[in-house]
Amino acid sequence: AQTVTQSQPEMSVQEAETVTLSCTYDTSESDYYLFWYKQPPSRQMILVIRQEAYKQQNATENRFSVNFQKAAKSFSLKISDSQLGDAAMYFCAYRSANYNNNDMRFGAGTRLTVKP
Amino acid sequence: GAVVSQHPSWVICKSGTSVKIECRSLDFQATTMFWYRQFPKQSLMLMATSNEGSKATYEQGVEKDKFLINHASLTLSTLTVTSAHPEDSSFYICSARSTGVGEQYFGPGTRLTVT
Repeated sequence: AQTVTQSQPEMSVQEAETVTLSCTYDTSESDYYLFWYKQPPSRQMILVIRQEAYKQQNATENRFSVNFQKAAKSFSLKISDSQLGDAAMYFCAYRSANYNNNDMRFGAGTRLTVKP
Repeated sequence: GAVVSQHPSWVICKSGTSVKIECRSLDFQATTMFWYRQFPKQSLMLMATSNEGSKATYEQGVEKDKFLINHASLTLSTLTVTSAHPEDSSFYICSARSTGVGEQYFGPGTRLTVT
């Protein structure tokens, strides 16, 4: 079974600075998707960024980018120019590309605090 | 973008009663819907996967007779918590996978409090 590990329960960053959230995963599959979700106090899950495992190029979405290291099974999220609105729980997630077995599995989460 | 709704957003029920939570995909069809449970300050744990027109597949440790899931149409899945107890109090989140694109979208969640 696939597992997702987030080793940083909490992280803190100064406004306008850069922070990196770590995520590692374990899988025997070669084709899969990785995600970072943001969960603000409202608890609505918001997709931040997504990465297809077959793509070597790291995904970017404005201030958010990932460092995807497939061989190391690592998938970190970098938030640049941090804003107060970035404060939230961040979850790393894995989903198999196998349509018959592709529920999403989440890491334990990292609580990000942004200091003004 | 694709929208998933849940109703109710918050429900309080007495111990021993049953409560039904609805999950609807508003602007797309969802062959598959997922139900997650999230305790305070914890991650989302998958409870079950439901496919339209067939029985749900439950994760290990989830009581299928307690958490009844019905995926009656391509836009609606329901989770019924039967004979609820205080330990069932939690945040329940549904997610729907688009039939066409295959993307997965999350509902806003339902807070269940059992007194």
